[in-house]
Amino acid sequence: DAGVIQSPRHEVTEMGQEVTLRCKPISGHNSLFWYRQTMMRGLELLIYFNNNVPIDDSGMPEDRFSAKMPNASFSTLKIQPSEPRDSAVYFCASRRQDTTEAFFGQGTRLTVV
Amino acid sequence: GNSVTQMEGPVTLSEEAFLTINCTYTATGYPSLFWYVQYPGEGLQLLLKATKADDKGSNKGFEATYRKETTSFHLEKGSVQVSDSAVYFCASANTGNQFYFGTGTSLTVIP
Repeated sequence: DAGVIQSPRHEVTEMGQEVTLRCKPISGHNSLFWYRQTMMRGLELLIYFNNNVPIDDSGMPEDRFSAKMPNASFSTLKIQPSEPRDSAVYFCASRRQDTTEAFFGQGTRLTVV
Repeated sequence: GNSVTQMEGPVTLSEEAFLTINCTYTATGYPSLFWYVQYPGEGLQLLLKATKADDKGSNKGFEATYRKETTSFHLEKGSVQVSDSAVYFCASANTGNQFYFGTGTSLTVIP
């Protein structure tokens, strides 16, 4: 299995631009998590989905952030407009719903200048 | 509510030293417990897990035992190597629910 695949690995964008991060979960996994990691705040859960349905989005910082999961094999996290304080590494993770361990992607390092 | 507390870092050890990273949890019900490891520039990798009380998870020389009476899941390794330098995260999760991660402990092993 290829594991959780995230794209792009690195993104540099200007303040005010729209940014879209992508995630392909492991086939057969039906829970998907988006995390943000910074030095200051550590690892933060932004949102997670079960069977493509958002279960808890209380970690989404503000309305500039949105996440979708149109099908079981794809999810996006969008930031519009982006701000410098959004600079972080964003991780996607997936899990089979009847298990507890999750598998993480390699992350997308976002820099907003 | 659920939470995980782990030992603050950073931790610096000499090669072949004994490692302990403390982790305690609070939870409703009986969660599974995990240790994840993050090498520089990479995502989190599952290192080991335990699903019920008194279970011992082990992998690559690392061990942790699920202690219900002390609500702990301390990570240990008898002899660390330079290649073990990484950030270690303790976590808990119930089936179908979100993960609760500790803040991470940075380990540096010097030759």
